[in-house]
Amino acid sequence: EVQLVESGGGLVQPGGSLRLSCAASGFSFSRFSMNWVRQAPGKGLEWVSYISGSSSSIYYADSVKGRFAISRDNAKNSLYLQMNSLRAEDTAVYYCARDPSTLLSKYFFDYWGQGTLVTVSS
Amino acid sequence: QSALTQPRSVSGSPGQSVTISCTGTSSDVGGYNYVSWYQQHPGKAPKVMIYDVGKRPSGVPDRFSGSKSGNTASLTISGLQAEDEADYYCCSYAGRSWVFGGGTKLTVL
Repeated sequence: EVQLVESGGGLVQPGGSLRLSCAASGFSFSRFSMNWVRQAPGKGLEWVSYISGSSSSIYYADSVKGRFAISRDNAKNSLYLQMNSLRAEDTAVYYCARDPSTLLSKYFFDYWGQGTLVTVSS
Repeated sequence: QSALTQPRSVSGSPGQSVTISCTGTSSDVGGYNYVSWYQQHPGKAPKVMIYDVGKRPSGVPDRFSGSKSGNTASLTISGLQAEDEADYYCCSYAGRSWVFGGGTKLTVL
């Protein structure tokens, strides 16, 4: 059974940093591209970042470029999001989401974690 | 990276059909056949209902169908059931990025 479990959320002051983790199980983690998607309270979904299985391709939304860094450790089956220079508008539930990553099936999110809440406030 | 445009709300009675539209541009919806739709119940993670414009993952009822014409994609839910009441989001690949719609709240009357 595919499982994605996020952790690391919490309350942080504006300008601060936080590192989110996503522990993956039930599939061959290194073969799949992964994403972070966030949802501000009461708002819609927003794609944040993408990383390919080998970490050779990394993309960011304009809203986080230069402040956030996505990474992965395939030996530990883990995905990370380092968030720096946090702003109030970064307050959201952050989900990790898997891309099916096959020739015939890709560029969508087939499994999601339960999310971790990040609150940026003084 | 502007959000795709969806109606804020739609409604229908049990057994009826509803269609949710999702309008983008030639840089996203119109440029790729990588439109997906997600269902989200309150307090839950999103669940993929449609991918590649009109394909259904295993386990998703065939009451859910998707299509696309030009820069507008659509999700149709036929034979509405009470458990279909949820928020629905469209999403499109946009070349090294993804863009979501603002979400549509489906109410089953």
